Amino acid sequence: RKEVEQDPGPFNVPEGATVAFNCTYSNSASQSFFWYRQDCRKEPKLLMSVYSSGNEDGRFTAQLNRASQYISLLIRDSKLSDSATYLCVVNTPGGGATNKLIFGTGTLLAVQP
Amino acid sequence: DGGITQSPKYLFRKEGQNVTLSCEQNLNHDAMYWYRQDPGQGLRLIYYSQIVNDFQKGDIAEGYSVSREKKESFPLTVTSAQKNPTAFYLCASNPGQGMEKLFFGSGTQLSVL
Repeated sequence: RKEVEQDPGPFNVPEGATVAFNCTYSNSASQSFFWYRQDCRKEPKLLMSVYSSGNEDGRFTAQLNRASQYISLLIRDSKLSDSATYLCVVNTPGGGATNKLIFGTGTLLAVQP
Repeated sequence: DGGITQSPKYLFRKEGQNVTLSCEQNLNHDAMYWYRQDPGQGLRLIYYSQIVNDFQKGDIAEGYSVSREKKESFPLTVTSAQKNPTAFYLCASNPGQGMEKLFFGSGTQLSVL
């Protein structure tokens, strides 16, 4: 089982649609969670951190379910500019005292006019 | 402007040749990282450095080497021992001390001639 798993998509949705991405992680000791956005052939950029209580930033809502070991990202009223790959990132205990960031393969979103 | 600069943007390597990818940051960050991204795969950690003159292997260090002689600079050499070097290479940094948000450079696409 991969340490972090995402549905690769693509998710093709019309403008204005609501779309949800899920991500599962295998290490129950994982401590923190993030969603990054990556445009084609560009660097990933932090979209939002994911907190236990859930958190919202405008049209974006992130949720964490520790019992089931998954996190989600909900995008409401999608815009053409939301088209990108969304990477799930999990901070997991590594060897010794260090943690390591594990990246999912990403979910491709294509918003259609 | 503060940030991370990677160069070159595109790089071509001949068989048996070593090539070096540059990464410079002026964010005064202690920690720097090199990732490799292949199509349909998540970012994989090659090497990381948490402090000047010290670095550790990541998950896929074979065929690569790094140095960290200055805080600002973390060059990556792709050696001839790396048999499948074609990929998108991303350099990142963060302040360290458990600060997990990564700041990425714009990436270098390496291809084999």
